[in-house]
Amino acid sequence: DAKTTQPPSMDCAEGRAANLPCNHSTISGNEYVYWYRQIHSQGPQYIIHGLKNNETNEMASLIITEDRKSSTLILPHATLRDTAVYYCIVRGQSYNTDKLIFGTGTRLQVFP
Amino acid sequence: GAVVSQHPSWVICKSGTSVKIECRSLDFQATTMFWYRQFPKQSLMLMATSNEGSKATYEQGVEKDKFLINHASLTLSTLTVTSAHPEDSSFYICSARYTKRGAYNEQFFGPGTRLTVL
Repeated sequence: DAKTTQPPSMDCAEGRAANLPCNHSTISGNEYVYWYRQIHSQGPQYIIHGLKNNETNEMASLIITEDRKSSTLILPHATLRDTAVYYCIVRGQSYNTDKLIFGTGTRLQVFP
Repeated sequence: GAVVSQHPSWVICKSGTSVKIECRSLDFQATTMFWYRQFPKQSLMLMATSNEGSKATYEQGVEKDKFLINHASLTLSTLTVTSAHPEDSSFYICSARYTKRGAYNEQFFGPGTRLTVL
């Protein structure tokens, strides 16, 4: 039972912002939204996470809607090295709900 | 972020043999480690969760007698695929987490091990 819904694929021109959407309409009050990415044949890499406020770090920004039913990961200036599968994951903080369960993700292709 | 290593990075074995994969947290103590499996063009599937010093908890549908997990120390977990068959060929990824009450428990992933069973 998937907790998140993401488009299967997206394209983005190099240097432009990549906006990756995620729906998590059944998220509960104590669950966080996490984003990971996986470059081909590598282990997943943590990007960012948030609860209700927007978050920004050196890699990306995370915008969470007020009702928390959806979010958007923003890569402000995409490069070719950002080509990867991006996973949006809802994760709890208590035992048995704090596992990272991966959905199908969004395959982002950055082109020159 | 913290570093998690896996060894070997790839392995080829004959059908019927057993293969051991190691997962190490290099610069932190991992109270919890996770094992995932990923088939080509598919997402990661969680196989099991192990806490140091305890028996692993397997996800539904994962055979615990086939995939033996040991987490004997805070920096090492091993996955042994027993009597491997070609359908066990996959990309196995471990991740490690330091679990501390009240702290943000980020989960770090290893680079993965590609297993090919002939």
